[in-house]
Formats: sequence, structure tokens, C-alpha cells
Amino acid sequence: EPEVTQTPSHQVTQMGQEVILRCVPISNHLYFYWYRQILGQKVEFLVSFYNNEISEKSEIFDDQFSVERPDGSNFTLKIRSTKLEDSAMYFCASSAPRDVAYSSNTGELFFGEGSRLTVL
Amino acid sequence: LAKTTQPISMDSYEGQEVNITCSHNNIATNDYITWYQQFPSQGPRFIIQGYKTKVTNEVASLFIPADRKSSTLSLPRVSLSDTAVYYCLVGPPGYSSASKIIFGSGTRLSIRP
Repeated sequence: EPEVTQTPSHQVTQMGQEVILRCVPISNHLYFYWYRQILGQKVEFLVSFYNNEISEKSEIFDDQFSVERPDGSNFTLKIRSTKLEDSAMYFCASSAPRDVAYSSNTGELFFGEGSRLTVL
Repeated sequence: LAKTTQPISMDSYEGQEVNITCSHNNIATNDYITWYQQFPSQGPRFIIQGYKTKVTNEVASLFIPADRKSSTLSLPRVSLSDTAVYYCLVGPPGYSSASKIIFGSGTRLSIRP
């Protein structure tokens, strides 16, 4: 079964450093997302990406965050200058199979296993 | 955005049927109800989605009364591996509305032998 893969599984960084989290969405999906979950808290939407541009973003997704699809398979989240409060699990997700009509699409999100970011 | 309310936690035993109810009093006409399951240190996983009445798949059933102000996820004959957090989400279907679909606190289900 196709799945979303994320790397690294765990990254430890110093405050102020730049971090790039990588994701390979399911190949025939059209929408890509990043969510984060601070330990013990809710899953929070960060950003969605469609047709090579940001479709929606939350208030959390400020200027320190950026997303990119540098090639046909990878989808990355960059955090420019990490802060202590950026420590969280970051989940990539994809949705909208290319071969499923819009009217039939449940909007099911397929999540990866997550990348745990620890900022010291 | 429709707000959802679920029990914080539930306990049950292997082999029992578990019903988790979610309240969503201000659900909009075009909103669907979707349930996800999350194991520790893993991403959420889609379980089931419905609009009204009853939906069943190989994993669960979803019961939605006529007023759609609540819904019940039913897990038949649970096992230890069903121990997880279950989220009830309400929002428009489709991939373009992710920002409108809110993961709440979920229900932490613990299954005992």
C-alpha cells in the first residue's frame, strides 16, 4: 500500500538553527500538508500546498516557515531560525488522488510517521 | 468552524463493542463527520466518514442521527491494538478545506485484557 514517508524521524537542533524536514507524499496525490503536534497537545494544521503553491496556511505558519516541492517527489518544510517552542512532532500528509473525481473525494488525509524535532 | 466535544478518555475490555460519541451542535449543512485514529508517535489514520444515517466499513460503523448534532463511532469487538486516541472532525469534505477541519483533543481509548 502506498504511504507517505518522512525524514528524518528525529532531529535535534540548537535554537536559531535552520531545519529542513522532508516528505515524500503518495505519488498520485495532488494536495500536500504539514501539521504539527506539540507533545501531549492537539494536531495543528500548518499549511496546505497544491499546484506548486500554498493553498491555505494557519496563523502558526509565519515567516520563519516555508514549504517547497523542489522536484517531482519531495515536499519540504523549512524552519528558518528554530525556537524552543518549535519542538514538536511534524506530520506530513497528502490527499486527493489524481484518478478520483472531486465529487467522490472524501478528503481523506494520509499521514506520514512524523519527524520529531527537538530544539535545545 | 464546527466545534466538537468528545469524552477525554474511555476504558473497555477486549472483545467488547465500544461506542464513542461526539457532539457537534453547530454542524453546517455541507459538513461531513470524519473519524481518525492515532497511535503514540504516529500520524493520524482515517477510519470512517459519513454525512447522515449509518456508514459501515471493515473497521467501524458511524451512526449519525437525523439532526446531525452528534455522531457515534462504533468499534466492534475491540482488541488491545485498538488502544489509541480517536478524533472526531467536522468540516467540508475534500482536500481543499484542511484549514477548516480541526483536530480536537480526541478520546483516549484504553483497552484492557
